[in-house]
Amino acid sequence: AQKITQTQPGMFVQEKEAVTLDCTYDTSDPSYGLFWYKQPSSGEMIFLIYQGSYDQQNATEGRYSLNFQKARKSANLVISASQLGDSAMYFCAMREGGSEKLVFGKGTKLTVNP
Amino acid sequence: NAGVTQTPKFRILKIGQSMTLQCAQDMNHNYMYWYRQDPGMGLKLIYYSVGAGITDKGEVPNGYNVSRSTTEDFPLRLELAAPSQTSVYFCASSYPSGGATGEQYFGPGTRLTVT
Repeated sequence: AQKITQTQPGMFVQEKEAVTLDCTYDTSDPSYGLFWYKQPSSGEMIFLIYQGSYDQQNATEGRYSLNFQKARKSANLVISASQLGDSAMYFCAMREGGSEKLVFGKGTKLTVNP
Repeated sequence: NAGVTQTPKFRILKIGQSMTLQCAQDMNHNYMYWYRQDPGMGLKLIYYSVGAGITDKGEVPNGYNVSRSTTEDFPLRLELAAPSQTSVYFCASSYPSGGATGEQYFGPGTRLTVT
C-alpha cells in the first residue's frame, strides 16, 4: 500500500494568493515525522518544513505552514502569499519511528501565475 | 561548508558498463543515503548507511552496491548498467533524528542515461 499519497499532479495559483498542497499518509506507527521538500526546475531538493506526530501545534516556517490532521492522516502544505519563485515540484515524505529512512510521495507540480 | 557534493553531474553509459557515483558531505553527518528519481515520480531509497562500515538496503537495491569507509564519503556502484537504471540519483545526509527534525540534506543529483 502506498504510504504517502499526493493526489494533485498539478496545481495553479495566482501570485500573492495562498495555495494548499494535499498529502495523506498511512502508518500504524504512533511515532513518525512528516516532511515537505521543494524541487525547483534546477533539480535540487530543498527542505521546507517538518511535523512530528506528537507535536501539539501545526508547524510553521515563514510563508509555509503544515495543516496537520492526525485523525484524517493528512499533512497538507499551505503556502501563503505565493511568489513566482514558488513554482516547483513539492514532495511530501514520511519517516516512521525507529527509522531514518524517508518514503516520498509522487509530488505535486505547482505553477504560480503572474 | 560545501554540504553534500556529487560527481559527476551527468553521465551516459552503454548497457553493461559499470561506474561509480561519488558522494561526499562535510557536515559530519552520521547518516547517508542514496535515492533514485524516475521521471514524474518521487524519490526511492536505494541504500543507506548509519555510519562508517555500516550499510543497508533500501527499497530498490538491485543492481547497485555501496560502501562507507569514512564518515564523509558514500559512493554508489552500478554494475552491468541496464536501461532501467536511467534516472536521476540523489545522495543525502543527516544527523540521527533522536527527537529532533533530522531533515536530510541533498546533493545536486547525477543524471544518468543508460543506452
